[in-house]
Amino acid sequence: TQLLEQSPQFLSIQEGENLTVYCNSSSVFSSLQWYRQEPGEGPVLLVTVVTGGEVKKLKRLTFQFGDARKDSSLHITAAQPGDTGLYLCQRGSGGSNYKLTFGKGTLLTVNP
Amino acid sequence: ETGVTQSPTHLIKTRGQQVTLRCSSQSGHNTVSWYQQALGQGPQFIFQYYREEENGRGNFPPRFSGLQFPNYSSELNVNALELDDSALYLCASSPELAKNIQYFGAGTRLSVL
Repeated sequence: TQLLEQSPQFLSIQEGENLTVYCNSSSVFSSLQWYRQEPGEGPVLLVTVVTGGEVKKLKRLTFQFGDARKDSSLHITAAQPGDTGLYLCQRGSGGSNYKLTFGKGTLLTVNP
Repeated sequence: ETGVTQSPTHLIKTRGQQVTLRCSSQSGHNTVSWYQQALGQGPQFIFQYYREEENGRGNFPPRFSGLQFPNYSSELNVNALELDDSALYLCASSPELAKNIQYFGAGTRLSVL
């Protein structure tokens, strides 16, 4: 069972446009990671966020963690074809049985 | 380049057979996690090994088992293969104090016929 909801599932835009993708959970998470995965490759870590309200920037990518630590967003400014890929959010759970859960991802296509 | 290598890159098996997939973690990382990724889906957590012990497990049956060796490399074994086991299997390594920070290999594509 997926505990993280990502939206939209698919997104196709033109080069130069801005976009936002979302990751939501019904429960609080202690940390959240964002990854990008390209076809035939494993996911590559983009950022980890841990503090409610935290905002991190990575060049044209802006990551935000909700105040209640139940949601996160990724905003891309002036998207480029190289941004094309599957964007995945991931959370960890503590306790004696440690688990890491991914959302289903947002498949982004940036057309030239 | 994450420093995590998986072998083989592709594998074809038939239903009922057994398979072993291998993963070499990034230098200095003592935690390895395994995931199954079906086409069009996010990775599903199978289990995690820390210092040769299973540290956590997802909702996978016992025919999915693993090992971690003293050099922190790891194996995923799947017995009695089923058609639905066809997927990309990903391995990720993490440093001691940041198990949520993962570096992934390129995966093994398993096809079960």
